[in-house]
Amino acid sequence: DAKTTQPPSMDCAEGRAANLPCNHSTISGNEYVYWYRQIHSQGPQYIIHGLKNNETNEMASLIITEDRKSSTLILPHATLRDTAVYYCIVRVAGGNQFYFGTGTSLTVIP
Amino acid sequence: DSGVTQTPKHLITATGQRVTLRCSPRSGDLSVYWYQQSLDQGLQFLIQYYNGEERAKGNILERFSAQQFPDLHSELNLSSLELGDSALYFCASSPISRRDGAKTQYFGPGTRLLVL
Repeated sequence: DAKTTQPPSMDCAEGRAANLPCNHSTISGNEYVYWYRQIHSQGPQYIIHGLKNNETNEMASLIITEDRKSSTLILPHATLRDTAVYYCIVRVAGGNQFYFGTGTSLTVIP
Repeated sequence: DSGVTQTPKHLITATGQRVTLRCSPRSGDLSVYWYQQSLDQGLQFLIQYYNGEERAKGNILERFSAQQFPDLHSELNLSSLELGDSALYFCASSPISRRDGAKTQYFGPGTRLLVL
């Protein structure tokens, strides 16, 4: 299974862009990169996903490097409500389950 | 609100007992997944059902079982409970995206189980 590596924690000033990196050097060509976040003990919330191209939605942008070995989730204007644990996940080829790692604990500072 | 519902929200029981957790997927989603989140293990995939049939198994103990009913709701049964089973249990459901084949999972609010 493809594994991901994320920094354990990050801080970001309120109103600034939060850039969360993720390494997935063993990703296969048909595996998607997903980002979820979990606020306190709530259910993980879907943010965005992508395969090769950069993606943007109302919540965030996902930048995937050309070799697909890493990606960055960008929250363009972080708010206090964005404080959460962010998980970068690569969907296992041929399987459906997600393997959640330890994620990045993002703290947005006033 | 993801559209996935789980009941009960909280459950307190004693060791050796059996409990049933219930999940209703989003309307139209055929796949249901169960995850366990404990303090020392993080989010762990347990099992997946698709349209009533078991599709994939993860780190699910033999004391645990699940099923998906014709109306697509799912139940996770936990028996001979131990203190270490205390955790958050999440259910997720997914459609199949026609756009890109991705199988985005949408999570419910979870059931917090405390075994005393």
